[in-house]
Amino acid sequence: AQKITQTQPGMFVQEKEAVTLDCTYDTSDPSYGLFWYKQPSSGEMIFLIYQGSYDQQNATEGRYSLNFQKARKSANLVISASQLGDSAMYFCAMSPGGATNKLIFGTGTLLAVQP
Amino acid sequence: SQTIHQWPATLVQPVGSPLSLECTVEGTSNPNLYWYRQAAGRGLQLLFYSVGIGQISSEVPQNLSASRPQDRQFILSSKKLLLSDSGFYLCAWNIESGSTNTQYFGPGTRLTVL
Repeated sequence: AQKITQTQPGMFVQEKEAVTLDCTYDTSDPSYGLFWYKQPSSGEMIFLIYQGSYDQQNATEGRYSLNFQKARKSANLVISASQLGDSAMYFCAMSPGGATNKLIFGTGTLLAVQP
Repeated sequence: SQTIHQWPATLVQPVGSPLSLECTVEGTSNPNLYWYRQAAGRGLQLLFYSVGIGQISSEVPQNLSASRPQDRQFILSSKKLLLSDSGFYLCAWNIESGSTNTQYFGPGTRLTVL
């Protein structure tokens, strides 16, 4: 079965520290995509970062990086130098192989950045 | 530039009433479009997706239906709302850039069924 698992319901981090949000996935498709989205209290879903299953290097976007470990089926998000504005819900998602690009979401991790 | 619109932003409806939520995209043609629902405190669940006009695929059996009357318009409907239809409804579209496929979401509609 295709599934995304986020085991951390909530996380705290001090401002300016780095934090890692965990994500594991399950799929039998050889080709898939992994995504992270941020959802602040306003509700909008903000795309952060993408990693393709065939990408050799870990994806990075500014302060966000994706620690992709294919053998372990994990795709953890690392946020460096946390800011107060990073406080939000974070969702990991997977797009299994195929042309429809449907997304399967995890249950999310609520990150609170403390001053 | 490419943008996605949803309306209304907020809706309160009684049980048994009809529903129509609209999603439109600008700046692209023939996009894949998606409807997701997010229950309170939960992740997103895919409800419907469409790869073209009149082409609708349903992911979850439910009280809702979807239609795509125009290339850049995606509508979510119900004839009779249930309490369990309450949630945050998000429309999304898929953008391909090289080897990357990314979904971008609209601002969402928060539906409360009383």
